[in-house]
Amino acid sequence: NAGVTQTPKFQVLKTGQSMTLQCAQDMNHNSMYWYRQDPGMGLRLIYYSASEGTTDKGEVPNGYNVSRLNKREFSLRLESAAPSQTSVYFCASLAGAYEQYFGPGTRLTVT
Amino acid sequence: AQSVTQPDIHITVSEGASLELRCNYSYGATPYLFWYVQSPGQGLQLLLKYFSGDTLVQGIKGFEAEFKRSQSSFNLRKPSVHWSDAAEYFCAVGNQAGTALIFGKGTTLSVSS
Repeated sequence: NAGVTQTPKFQVLKTGQSMTLQCAQDMNHNSMYWYRQDPGMGLRLIYYSASEGTTDKGEVPNGYNVSRLNKREFSLRLESAAPSQTSVYFCASLAGAYEQYFGPGTRLTVT
Repeated sequence: AQSVTQPDIHITVSEGASLELRCNYSYGATPYLFWYVQSPGQGLQLLLKYFSGDTLVQGIKGFEAEFKRSQSSFNLRKPSVHWSDAAEYFCAVGNQAGTALIFGKGTTLSVSS
């Protein structure tokens, strides 16, 4: 039981490049989340998916798109990366009543 | 709107000393409250949670937290800190829509020998 996995662990992009962050969970959870973590800002919700086939914006969705490919996988895409998107990205899934399990994170640098 | 405030950005505690990390929340109804810990370079791990009932909740690693409705607080405590407790600690509240967590900005704990 791997829990929540994320790939890649690290990534460096140039401004304007695109990339997709992958997330998968093997706990059969319905809801999945993408957060970004910046120093002194805590975690801020980018997008979430309450169930397969549905997605909703969180607090900071601009510049991102998501896909809930199936119940296991929830990907985050940056179409045209900007330096302001330099951050650590966490995926999480919901066990029940707000209890979230987090992946190890992806550290993204945009130059 | 819901919010979570962690007043202390950084705290240093001597090993073996007691610890209290503060958390204040703003929420219109009975909140769902959480404490998470993040070790350097790692993801977040749930320490404990409060949904209802007994206002003193026990968590993993010897941590406990007390819910005080009158003070809108959910402070995290540990009687004796170990060097391995050095990490960043986040308080969070479930949002009213039931869809996500709202996190505080975190408190970094350093442990001195």
